[in-house]
Amino acid sequence: AQSVSQHNHHVILSEAASLELGCNYSYGGTVNLFWYVQYPGQHLQLLLKYFSGDPLVKGIKGFEAEFIKSKFSFNLRKPSVQWSDTAEYFCAVDNNAGNMLTFGGGTRLMVKP
Amino acid sequence: KAGVTQTPRYLIKTRGQQVTLSCSPISGHRSVSWYQQTPGQGLQFLFEYFSETQRNKGNFPGRFSGRQFSNSRSEMNVSTLELGDSALYLCASSLAVGGEAFFGQGTRLTVV
Repeated sequence: AQSVSQHNHHVILSEAASLELGCNYSYGGTVNLFWYVQYPGQHLQLLLKYFSGDPLVKGIKGFEAEFIKSKFSFNLRKPSVQWSDTAEYFCAVDNNAGNMLTFGGGTRLMVKP
Repeated sequence: KAGVTQTPRYLIKTRGQQVTLSCSPISGHRSVSWYQQTPGQGLQFLFEYFSETQRNKGNFPGRFSGRQFSNSRSEMNVSTLELGDSALYLCASSLAVGGEAFFGQGTRLTVV
């Protein structure tokens, strides 16, 4: 069975700081990779996704992620965070056998103004 | 266009009862997946339906079941509720296999 690990459970940053959230997965075959965000009181929203091609993918709100196949990693980055980025972030993997996402444990990000 | 709609938003049930949750996917989406979100276990996959057929099932007991109707709307049922079933139940719809999943607001179930 595949698994997804997010190493940072809680992250506190000041506005304008750079962000990198780690994500590693354990499935050895072809995967689709996703980052979702859950703002307080809102539903899960897709930030970005990787299916194939350029391993550096850009998403909404200035987020990007890099797929490194040799490291089974899909880290999320943002050069300069804003207070409005305060949310919980989830990395997810789909092994393309159906719409069955395996989620990481999530990272709670707090951005201090 | 309308997003994924889950009803009801909140439910309080007593141990031993059963509950049915409903999910209306985005128009045109034929795949519906269900997830359970708890503080301790995080987001866990329950099952996925496509064209009225269960295609994938997560590691949950048989008390958890679901179905999908011809209009792609889906229901999940939990029988003989336990305190540990208290959770946010999320539904997601997708257009195709491996496509982007769009999530609903969820149904928060509290078992007392």
